Amino acid sequence: NAGVTQTPKFRILKIGQSMTLQCTQDMNHNYMYWYRQDPGMGLKLIYYSVGAGITDKGEVPNGYNVSRSTTEDFPLRLELAAPSQTSVYFCASSLNDRTDYEQYFGPGTRLTVT
Amino acid sequence: RKEVEQDPGPFNVPEGATVAFNCTYSNSASQSFFWYRQDCRKEPKLLMSVYSSGNEDGRFTAQLNRASQYISLLIRDSKLSDSATYLCVVNRLPDSSYKLIFGSGTRLLVRP
Repeated sequence: NAGVTQTPKFRILKIGQSMTLQCTQDMNHNYMYWYRQDPGMGLKLIYYSVGAGITDKGEVPNGYNVSRSTTEDFPLRLELAAPSQTSVYFCASSLNDRTDYEQYFGPGTRLTVT
Repeated sequence: RKEVEQDPGPFNVPEGATVAFNCTYSNSASQSFFWYRQDCRKEPKLLMSVYSSGNEDGRFTAQLNRASQYISLLIRDSKLSDSATYLCVVNRLPDSSYKLIFGSGTRLLVRP
């Protein structure tokens, strides 16, 4: 049971390049999330999904896109990378029944845009 | 005012000490409260949920004060392995129960 996995672990992009951050969970969770964490700051929600085929914007969605074609996968797409997108990106998933809201996080992707 | 505020620290304490962190939240409608732990350059992991009646898990005790809108975490008999950043987390009601707001964290350093 791997939990939440993310690839790549590290990436350096040039301004204007695009890339996709991969996220997969094997816990059969319906809810999945993408966060970014800047140094000394709390996690900010980029996008989330409540099930396959359903996605919605979080607090900071500009410059990103997501898709959710399966329960397991929730890739995050960066189009036209900018230095402001330099951050650590965490994917998370949760069960979200009436009593269990714990979010399980992947190990993160450290992205630098230069 | 930030939605969730924490003292960034660092709190530098000797092994065996008792240390307490507080966190304040702005949304009185919030109903779910958590403490997450984040080790350096690692992902956050749930430490404990915070219930209205307070709860204890070994050396860790969490309390909720709804009237004053703050949450506390008490760590007794600190271990070197407790060194980490502790994130206060609150759900974003009435928006949704599953959207969480993360504080910036309080850093704890436990020295020998």
